Amino acid sequence: AQSVSQHNHHVILSEAASLELGCNYSYGGTVNLFWYVQYPGQHLQLLLKYFSGDPLVKGIKGFEAEFIKSKFSFNLRKPSVQWSDTAEYFCASDTGGFKTIFGAGTRLFVKA
Amino acid sequence: NAGVTQTPKFRVLKTGQSMTLLCAQDMNHEYMYWYRQDPGMGLRLIHYSVGEGTTAKGEVPDGYNVSRLKKQNFLLGLESAAPSQTSVYFCASRNTQIGYGYTFGSGTRLTVV
Repeated sequence: AQSVSQHNHHVILSEAASLELGCNYSYGGTVNLFWYVQYPGQHLQLLLKYFSGDPLVKGIKGFEAEFIKSKFSFNLRKPSVQWSDTAEYFCASDTGGFKTIFGAGTRLFVKA
Repeated sequence: NAGVTQTPKFRVLKTGQSMTLLCAQDMNHEYMYWYRQDPGMGLRLIHYSVGEGTTAKGEVPDGYNVSRLKKQNFLLGLESAAPSQTSVYFCASRNTQIGYGYTFGSGTRLTVV
């Protein structure tokens, strides 16, 4: 069955540190990949997505993710985090069908 | 503003009570979904709908029912609430084109005592 794994459940960084959150998916065929962000007390918002083309995808607020097919990975990166990036981040995948599978989430806390 | 609207935002139920959560979207999306979010478990799909009049079971459908009588509305019902259904419920919708992400509602925090 299709699954999404996020390596870290909790990450604590200081402001200006670099961020990389790991995500691996299990499906061997064509996939669409997403990162969503959930700020405290809010709903999930789409951060970025990949479904074809350039494997390096840029999203909002300076985030980017790289699709590496050989590693089944779609890691999220940001060169310099801010306190306002404190949130929970969800990786997700779908195979072009009706359903999207979400990872368990990574809680990021950025110390000011 | 266009989007997904969920009502109510908060609710406390006693075990055995019933309730309906309403989700409405004004983006003409075909697909609609109900997820529950629990700490450490991410989002789990309860039920979904690929069009008016259609519904299907997701990953954790037991104890819930849904209806999609109108394209813009997707209702989630709890017939006899249990403490295990204490959770945050999110509705989401998307269009049919491949590669498009979801638009989520703001969530309903439900506590069953």
